[in-house]
Amino acid sequence: DTEVTQTPKHLVMGMTNKKSLKCEQHMGHRAMYWYKQKAKKPPELMFVYSYEKLSINESVPSRFSPECPNSSLLNLHLHALQPEDSALYLCASSQVPGTDTQYFGPGTRLTVL
Amino acid sequence: GENVEQHPSTLSVQEGDSAVIKCTYSDSASNYFPWYKQELGKRPQLIIDIRSNVGEKKDQRIAVTLNKTAKHFSLHITETQPEDSAVYFCAARNFGNEKLTFGTGTRLTIIP
Repeated sequence: DTEVTQTPKHLVMGMTNKKSLKCEQHMGHRAMYWYKQKAKKPPELMFVYSYEKLSINESVPSRFSPECPNSSLLNLHLHALQPEDSALYLCASSQVPGTDTQYFGPGTRLTVL
Repeated sequence: GENVEQHPSTLSVQEGDSAVIKCTYSDSASNYFPWYKQELGKRPQLIIDIRSNVGEKKDQRIAVTLNKTAKHFSLHITETQPEDSAVYFCAARNFGNEKLTFGTGTRLTIIP
């Protein structure tokens, strides 16, 4: 398996909902990333997990809560989001943190009503 | 921190002609420079990358050149085809730094 997968593909949620995004890779990569991408903009880094430990949090609001249950799985828990949080959420992984190519998943298109 | 500038923001090229996209970076310690292609509604896909110990890398119709002294690198696409139409992002990173800094993107349109 040479891909990063993400579920769901699309998500619509209200501002009071709690939902989770899921990312999975079976390439043995030890770094996993969450990015947020708004239309016509580059991906914007949110979190990095290295060897299943949170190593970077780019001052992301606490309504976004990442979790790395094991080396293959990365979750992003969402709670009390705002309409401006609507975006494409991309997961990525790389074999060794800080030295290798990052490979992106297909993303989850999130709409907050 | 690192800052990456990318030009032009939009580029239209006749099919069969060449396209060149340029990026400059600010941190002289950066040593890894990937290029990603993102089609509408799709994921960013790595198309080519270069490390600071080489000045040029080529893969079929795509090449990347790096000038460490001037701190800029460029993507060259020759014999462009309609399927090359997409947004292209450059990026830069230091060795050991987990954060990739992206350029602002170039929307490339190939005119048939």
